[in-house]
Amino acid sequence: DIQMTQSPSSLSASVGDRVTITCRASQRISSYVNWYQQKPGKAPKLLIYAASSLQSGVPSRFSGSGSGTDFTLTISSLQPEDFATYYCQQSYSTPRYTFGQGTKLEIK
Amino acid sequence: EVQLVESGGGLVQPGRSLRLSCTASGFTFGDYAMNWVRQAPGKGLEWVGFIRSKAYGVTTEYAASVKGRFTISRGDSKSIAYLQMNSLKIEDTAVYYCSRENWNDHYYYYMDVWGKGTTVTVSS
Repeated sequence: DIQMTQSPSSLSASVGDRVTITCRASQRISSYVNWYQQKPGKAPKLLIYAASSLQSGVPSRFSGSGSGTDFTLTISSLQPEDFATYYCQQSYSTPRYTFGQGTKLEIK
Repeated sequence: EVQLVESGGGLVQPGRSLRLSCTASGFTFGDYAMNWVRQAPGKGLEWVGFIRSKAYGVTTEYAASVKGRFTISRGDSKSIAYLQMNSLKIEDTAVYYCSRENWNDHYYYYMDVWGKGTTVTVSS
């Protein structure tokens, strides 16, 4: 199975900060990476698909990049509603999806 | 409004069975493959299984952790997907989400619609 390793596992930041979360795949997976946001007690929400495509309705401060094994999710200017846990997911071996372990973004 | 609603969760003893339902609305359910994803308390997301649409044979795939115990089916006339869970173990305790699989022009796949989840607790 393809393993997805996120870093960091947790992150403290302030409103207005630029934040980057990294995801590394255990093998080359082209651009088959999606990013999700999950708030406590809520379902995951799709933010980015195909590594860099912004899902409809998602604010443009979210962006994704990468190809091969290394991928990043960037939030250009943190807003209060962005404090959540973020997961990467590989869809290279669809439907055998695997998720990263998550990055918890907390308020500093 | 495009929506998925899970139901059927609850408290069940180890070794027993439970069937979850995922009711869809707001889109042509039969056109889409459906996934089940779970999240154990305080843990991350784990893909459980998948069912293709009728156009692709209604075939299924499962994670190794549930293969042989869980079965996914669908009733397109009712816009419902099911997750039949047998021989439940304590480690199956989780919130279970269903999600719709979508794709773009270049066949990159992603889960774009999620239900709110239903909680399954396996305990004696």
